[in-house]
Amino acid sequence: AQRVTQPEKLLSVFKGAPVELKCNYSYSGSPELFWYVQYSRQRLQLLLRHISRESIKGFTADLNKGETSFHLKKPFAQEEDSAMYYCALQQPGNQFYFGTGTSLTVIP
Amino acid sequence: ETGVTQSPTHLIKTRGQQVTLRCSSQSGHNTVSWYQQALGQGPQFIFQYYREEENGRGNFPPRFSGLQFPNYSSELNVNALELDDSALYLCASSAGLSNTEAFFGQGTRLTVV
Repeated sequence: AQRVTQPEKLLSVFKGAPVELKCNYSYSGSPELFWYVQYSRQRLQLLLRHISRESIKGFTADLNKGETSFHLKKPFAQEEDSAMYYCALQQPGNQFYFGTGTSLTVIP
Repeated sequence: ETGVTQSPTHLIKTRGQQVTLRCSSQSGHNTVSWYQQALGQGPQFIFQYYREEENGRGNFPPRFSGLQFPNYSSELNVNALELDDSALYLCASSAGLSNTEAFFGQGTRLTVV
């Protein structure tokens, strides 16, 4: 069965420090993984997906099939990065399985 | 181009009642998915509609049902409401079933008392 695990519910870092939000998955097929972000009082929105291999707002995520991980990283955190981050596994048909989320706070 | 809109934004229902939540998909999108997000949890997939047909369902009982209309807007109906149904209900629309971005609405906050 598919599963997405985000082990940290809360994460605080200082502005300018590196940040890593962890995500592990369990899926029998070839996974399609995404990171969604929800800023305060805004709707859930796509941050990045592994197939595009882009860097969005300074964030990157590499799919590691050996470790079944898709950790989100940014070398220098900014205050505007404070938000709720969800890792999601996409099933065929655009159906998503989400992790429980990590609330990131960047301390000025 | 309009985004995904959901109505109402909030509502309170009594246990045992029935509720209907509505979602207007983004222009050009023919696929709508519904998610339940309990407090402190990630969104959980309820079901999906593609071109007015159900196309996949998560682990939710039959009292959760849905509908998609010819204009691709959608409804989520929940019968015999239980206290545990209290949650944020999210609607997401996308253009088709292949690897496309899903756009989320703001959600409907349902409280069952």
